[in-house]
Amino acid sequence: IQLTQSPSSLSASVGDRVTITCRASQGIRSYLAWYQQKPGKAPKLLIYAGSTLQSGVPSRFSGSGSGTDFTLTISSLQPEDFATYYCQQLNNYLFTFGGGTKVEIK
Amino acid sequence: EVQLVESGGGLVQPGGSLRLSCAASGFTVSSNYMSWVRQAPGKGLEWVSITYSGGNTYYADSVKGRFSISRDNSKNTLYLQMSSLRDEDTAVYYCARDFYQSNHVHGMDVWGQGTTVTVSS
Repeated sequence: IQLTQSPSSLSASVGDRVTITCRASQGIRSYLAWYQQKPGKAPKLLIYAGSTLQSGVPSRFSGSGSGTDFTLTISSLQPEDFATYYCQQLNNYLFTFGGGTKVEIK
Repeated sequence: EVQLVESGGGLVQPGGSLRLSCAASGFTVSSNYMSWVRQAPGKGLEWVSITYSGGNTYYADSVKGRFSISRDNSKNTLYLQMSSLRDEDTAVYYCARDFYQSNHVHGMDVWGQGTTVTVSS
């Protein structure tokens, strides 16, 4: 199963609403997770099961979708949110990642 | 505190072998699903392998037949044995705990800091 993220990068300002999409090459039900990664650090789980917020993750992050099309939304971008975001499918035991979306400061 | 600490990375020649270790604290490796994920320099994340709590193991096509995942329950440690290494295996290797709920893995909720493997002559 291949995951295609778009855009691959974006520039946004603090306070902006940001949406990242992830499309699967075949249906994966709701078995999709989103991660945030900052330079030199390990990824951090943000959302699992397509839309469930991981404990401790700010509510400005939200996820939606099922089947093949998913979105990650940051409702009001904060300075600490500038990072790279990855989706991951867990529908079968070969857990592929999307190519990533780098969110940069405008 | 729940923590994973990787070790064992380094410089190895093409065709060589290396064993990575991932020591867990705050939880037991034996009762969890555990994965390895890698990231080549400047690239995205690539899932490498998983071991189920029941013992099943699975591998990405890119490493199948060359890498082997295992665990030592007495040491609460996960391993990745890598052989026939290639230039393209150069990466930071992370171990991670798989978040398992309602009979399914939903993501990786605990990550180590990563260990760097460089394959070069």
